[in-house]
Amino acid sequence: EAQVTQNPRYLITVTGKKLTVTCSQNMNHEYMSWYRQDPGLGLRQIYYSMNVEVTDKGDVPEGYKVSRKEKRNFPLILESPSPNQTSLYFCASSHPGGDEQFFGPGTRLTVL
Amino acid sequence: GIQVEQSPPDLILQEGANSTLRCNFSDSVNNLQWFHQNPWGQLINLFYIPSGTKQNGRLSATTVATERYSLLYISSSQTTDSGVYFCAEINAGNNRKLIWGLGTSLAVNP
Repeated sequence: EAQVTQNPRYLITVTGKKLTVTCSQNMNHEYMSWYRQDPGLGLRQIYYSMNVEVTDKGDVPEGYKVSRKEKRNFPLILESPSPNQTSLYFCASSHPGGDEQFFGPGTRLTVL
Repeated sequence: GIQVEQSPPDLILQEGANSTLRCNFSDSVNNLQWFHQNPWGQLINLFYIPSGTKQNGRLSATTVATERYSLLYISSSQTTDSGVYFCAEINAGNNRKLIWGLGTSLAVNP
């Protein structure tokens, strides 16, 4: 089944404890991106990647890192999480030549 | 950049009723998508519809790109249709960022 998966789906952590949210797609998509969704602010792009080893900042990259060592995986790294990073996170992917974007199930992160 | 306006913001239906949700765009429409965010927060792709009409079961969508709007029709609504419906369009530029409307929050009562 063609899909985007994210892990974990739910996470409660404490300030400063490094964490990684994984994202994997099995559709051989070149393009991948991360969004966060907050009440009243909608979905905002954090980082995106056009292909392996090609990543760039979105609108709200502060406090996040990403890597793209393989086409299928695009992990989101929070080196020192803070409470303002409490949010619902989505990973998305698409072919660069095709424009429909497919989303993962979301990761609900709470930073205490 | 492009702006996306959705209406109505909230909608309450009795099970079995039909409804129409609308999305207006401030600029040209090229890559419109409709999504359903269920009560558990998952974003479900409904339609990729830059133009024309598509149908999938009880849902259908129409985009009139020249008029810069899209409509999502829900027929014979069910309680499982509850959630928030979003339309989104890709921002012009290299980041392929989706620009989202604020959504229509739908509650279907049994």
